[in-house]
Amino acid sequence: DTEVTQTPKHLVMGMTNKKSLKCEQHMGHRAMYWYKQKAKKPPELMFVYSYEKLSINESVPSRFSPECPNSSLLNLHLHALQPEDSALYLCASSQGTAPYNSPLHFGNGTRLTVT
Amino acid sequence: AQKVTQAQTEISVVEKEDVTLDCVYETRDTTYYLFWYKQPPSGELVFLIRRNSFDEQNEISGRYSWNFQKSTSSFNFTITASQVVDSAVYFCALSERNFGNEKLTFGTGTRLTIIP
Repeated sequence: DTEVTQTPKHLVMGMTNKKSLKCEQHMGHRAMYWYKQKAKKPPELMFVYSYEKLSINESVPSRFSPECPNSSLLNLHLHALQPEDSALYLCASSQGTAPYNSPLHFGNGTRLTVT
Repeated sequence: AQKVTQAQTEISVVEKEDVTLDCVYETRDTTYYLFWYKQPPSGELVFLIRRNSFDEQNEISGRYSWNFQKSTSSFNFTITASQVVDSAVYFCALSERNFGNEKLTFGTGTRLTIIP
């Protein structure tokens, strides 16, 4: 079983909906990440939080809004998404505050479909 | 800029055969880390190995082995006596020391299918 828990596993939403993806880890990791993965592609980095502060935003559209309420939780708020935003959204954490030398621990992902 | 190439898009082998997944990387940095991750159909990426640029020793873990060669900028992964549970997409990844902007660059992945 993965030590990074993501909910929900599946989400279908309309373009006018507001929804949130949740991620939780209890490994004491200080960095948390959101990745987006389209079918048959590698994961693409969206956001990085280090010590609960946003450290990297990979020019993600504002319809995606991350939040890190505490060191164990990471949310991704979704609003006014487009069908092309349909993808697998992966949360990850690492012990170090950069992926430079720390392995990432991934959750199972949320498979998002925007209709 | 860093780059990771996994030229093999898909590989199929019969169970118990050995299989090697290729990974070639590009970097200007002398200090970097290489990783392999496995992504089974369930979706999560599972960390397999990390290797730093100063350690060229090959590594073996059970049926898995890794061959790191700086001279050819390659970090290949071999599965010996493959099993159906090895079926997954495998990603090679590279991270450089770029203070304040460290990122993990993934290759495009190799889909491995083990035929029973």
